[in-house]
Amino acid sequence: QKEVEQDPGPLSVPEGAIVSLNCTYSNSAFQYFMWYRQYSRKGPELLMYTYSSGNKEDGRFTAQVDKSSKYISLFIRDSQPSDSATYLCAMLNYGGSQGNLIFGKGTKLSVKP
Amino acid sequence: NAGVTQTPKFRVLKTGQSMTLLCAQDMNHEYMYWYRQDPGMGLRLIHYSVGEGTTAKGEVPDGYNVSRLKKQNFLLGLESAAPSQTSVYFCASSYPRASGSYEQYFGPGTRLTVT
Repeated sequence: QKEVEQDPGPLSVPEGAIVSLNCTYSNSAFQYFMWYRQYSRKGPELLMYTYSSGNKEDGRFTAQVDKSSKYISLFIRDSQPSDSATYLCAMLNYGGSQGNLIFGKGTKLSVKP
Repeated sequence: NAGVTQTPKFRVLKTGQSMTLLCAQDMNHEYMYWYRQDPGMGLRLIHYSVGEGTTAKGEVPDGYNVSRLKKQNFLLGLESAAPSQTSVYFCASSYPRASGSYEQYFGPGTRLTVT
């Protein structure tokens, strides 16, 4: 079993839809959870960062962590064509493991006008 | 503040040729990483460095070497390129936050084709 599982999609939604992106993981030691956004032919950029369980909101984006289920989500409200990208989840133990993030393989999202 | 930069952006090599990819960061980060990204495989860690003069192997180190002679630079070398090394290479840097987390900042990538 991979440490981090992420549905690769592709996911296609109409503009204005609510998008839900998810990852599951197996290592209960993970404490830090991140979402990166990667536009086509660009490097990943950090979008959201959450420590332990709970929700974090930033504009149209909400990151949610459920440690009991080992499940994390990223919700995008009022999705826009500019949100079309690949979204990668990433996780880390407390203490860092020398900063080596464990990445999911990414979900490709397309928002149609 | 340029963040993380990578040189070159594109390169085509013939099998057996060698090359060096350069990564530079101006954020004074201690930690630096080299990844490759292939369709369906996600990001895979090749080598990383936790400080000047130190390097360590990641998930897929074979066929690559690295050096970190200066804190701001991390070089990735291919001594004898193979078609299996055709990929997009990303460099990243990070530092340990007081919270215990590390947030990696990525460069724009180098697209390498080996024929």
